Amino acid sequence: DVKVTQSSRYLVKRTGEKVFLECVQDMDHENMFWYRQDPGLGLRLIYFSYDVKMKEKGDIPEGYSVSREKKERFSLILESASTNQTSMYLCASSSGQQETQYFGPGTRLLVL
Amino acid sequence: AQTVTQSQPEMSVQEAETVTLSCTYDTSESDYYLFWYKQPPSRQMILVIRQEAYKQQNATENRFSVNFQKAAKSFSLKISDSQLGDAAMYFCAYGSYNTDKLIFGTGTRLQVFP
Repeated sequence: DVKVTQSSRYLVKRTGEKVFLECVQDMDHENMFWYRQDPGLGLRLIYFSYDVKMKEKGDIPEGYSVSREKKERFSLILESASTNQTSMYLCASSSGQQETQYFGPGTRLLVL
Repeated sequence: AQTVTQSQPEMSVQEAETVTLSCTYDTSESDYYLFWYKQPPSRQMILVIRQEAYKQQNATENRFSVNFQKAAKSFSLKISDSQLGDAAMYFCAYGSYNTDKLIFGTGTRLQVFP
């Protein structure tokens, strides 16, 4: 079974803090994704990576950056957290193009 | 650009009954694939079913089946013999062969009553 884990289920941070969300997959998947999920908006893609050190912007990259130094790990970074970044963040991975994405449990981030 | 629309924010069904969740999409591509994902309360999102657009036969997975109408760009999910464990948020998603990105709908929250 594919396992995608995220470092925290719940996180509370203050405005202006630098926030790191970590995602690890154990299936040697090429592709990894970061989404944010908001009520009434569904899932929106922030960034994705198709290889180590490679990244591409998704639909809402503003205010975020990512890092993929190792194949199994994909980090989402909020350089200076703002209240409008309060959301559920979901990580996913897939073995290649057109393949099914497998999701982590999500991190619910509250920025005060 | 492709879009996915789920017009039912909430649905409810009684245990053992059948319910259909709607999804429509817009695309100019002829080859693509579609998913239904399930997100139970406070739990991980999991794949329910996948449909390739080039396949005429509707995908089925146990009690879950789809009604894929390519010309109408419609992709509904039918859940038969509903169970309490089916209560979840359901997301429809579109995948293109030209990119790794998925486009998700806004979701339908399904409640199952005993």
